[in-house]
Amino acid sequence: SQQGEEDPQALSIQEGENATMNCSYKTSINNLQWYRQNSGRGLVHLILIRSNEREKHSGRLRVTLDTSKKSSSLLITASRAADTASYFCATDVWDKIIFGKGTRLHILP
Amino acid sequence: SQTIHQWPATLVQPVGSPLSLECTVEGTSNPNLYWYRQAAGRGLQLLFYSIGIDQISSEVPQNLSASRPQDRQFILSSKKLLLSDSGFYLCAWSQTIKGNEQFFGPGTRLTVL
Repeated sequence: SQQGEEDPQALSIQEGENATMNCSYKTSINNLQWYRQNSGRGLVHLILIRSNEREKHSGRLRVTLDTSKKSSSLLITASRAADTASYFCATDVWDKIIFGKGTRLHILP
Repeated sequence: SQTIHQWPATLVQPVGSPLSLECTVEGTSNPNLYWYRQAAGRGLQLLFYSIGIDQISSEVPQNLSASRPQDRQFILSSKKLLLSDSGFYLCAWSQTIKGNEQFFGPGTRLTVL
């Protein structure tokens, strides 16, 4: 069964705008991670937020976590063409990490 | 620094043929290793993970198998490929099973015809 579900499935925005992606999950977690995947490449870890944290920043990335709603959001500010990629949330379930299906982000010039 | 290698990068195989994909990690010892499959435009499906030599956990029953003959080598195999085995195969490693980021290899694109 799917643990994490990203929303929306696809998102197109103009360069310079902010992009927001959401992730909902089903069971309690210890932490939640966000990864980026450029087309045809492996995944790259972006940020990890622990269950006792509510917000975390890394450069132009801002991640929030609401454990009461079992949801997280990833905000990319001042988007660039290089941000075009798929973004996945991943939650730890027992002894492994489960990835969602991802949000495909397309930055328009 | 740690690096992870996968080969081959691309592979086209006929139905019924065998498969062997290799993954190796450098710069770390006793990593946890993972094999994922990603269908076109989809998320990652965990196939196998390993916490040590000859310690393999299978997530999805199928015609694939995995082996870990050495600490930093993880091999994905099949005796007879099916059309449904086509996909993008990713190997990853982490320091611990829980709570740590995973580092991914470049992937292998497998097409079964």
